[in-house]
Amino acid sequence: AQKITQTQPGMFVQEKEAVTLDCTYDTSDQSYGLFWYKQPSSGEMIFLIYQGSYDEQNATEGRYSLNFQKARKSANLVISASQLGDSAMYFCAMRINAGNNRKLIWGLGTSLAVNP
Amino acid sequence: SAVISQKPSRDICQRGTSLTIQCQVDSQVTMMFWYRQQPGQSLTLIATANQGSEATYESGFVIDKFPISRPNLTFSTLTVSNMSPEDSSIYLCSVVTVGAVSETQYFGPGTRLLVL
Repeated sequence: AQKITQTQPGMFVQEKEAVTLDCTYDTSDQSYGLFWYKQPSSGEMIFLIYQGSYDEQNATEGRYSLNFQKARKSANLVISASQLGDSAMYFCAMRINAGNNRKLIWGLGTSLAVNP
Repeated sequence: SAVISQKPSRDICQRGTSLTIQCQVDSQVTMMFWYRQQPGQSLTLIATANQGSEATYESGFVIDKFPISRPNLTFSTLTVSNMSPEDSSIYLCSVVTVGAVSETQYFGPGTRLLVL
């Protein structure tokens, strides 16, 4: 079964420190994509970073990096130098093939609180 | 990324009534999706909105309850019919822009629906 698992319902981090949010996935597809989104309390879904299954290097976008370990089927998000504005829900998602369509399946999310 | 707008941004409705949510994009997109996010939950895909043809619904969602239209490449509507309090959620549309290599989905700001 194709599935995304986020095992950390809530995380705390001190401002300016780094934090890792865990994501593991299960799929039998050879080609897939992994995404991280941020959802602040305002409710909007903000795309952060993408990793393709064939990408050999870990993706990076500013303070965000994705620690992709294909053999372990993990795609952890690392946020460096945390800021107060990073407090939000973070969702991991995987793009899968579904018949003639491609769609995202989602993890349950991790709530991150950044302490001053 | 595209600029995506949704109307209304929020609404309070009486049970048994229907609400139509609009999603407008400022550029042509290949795919459009409708999601529901119940309070404190992750995202659940309702359907893929297909241009000029019937939407593709996910398991548990039916056209009679959630009719969807997509008359062109930049506009779609989702109707929540015969509402009950269980339909209280955030409804989000997302799009994949033309030429997006990773098929990243970008989200509208969402519609917060409360059914009394």
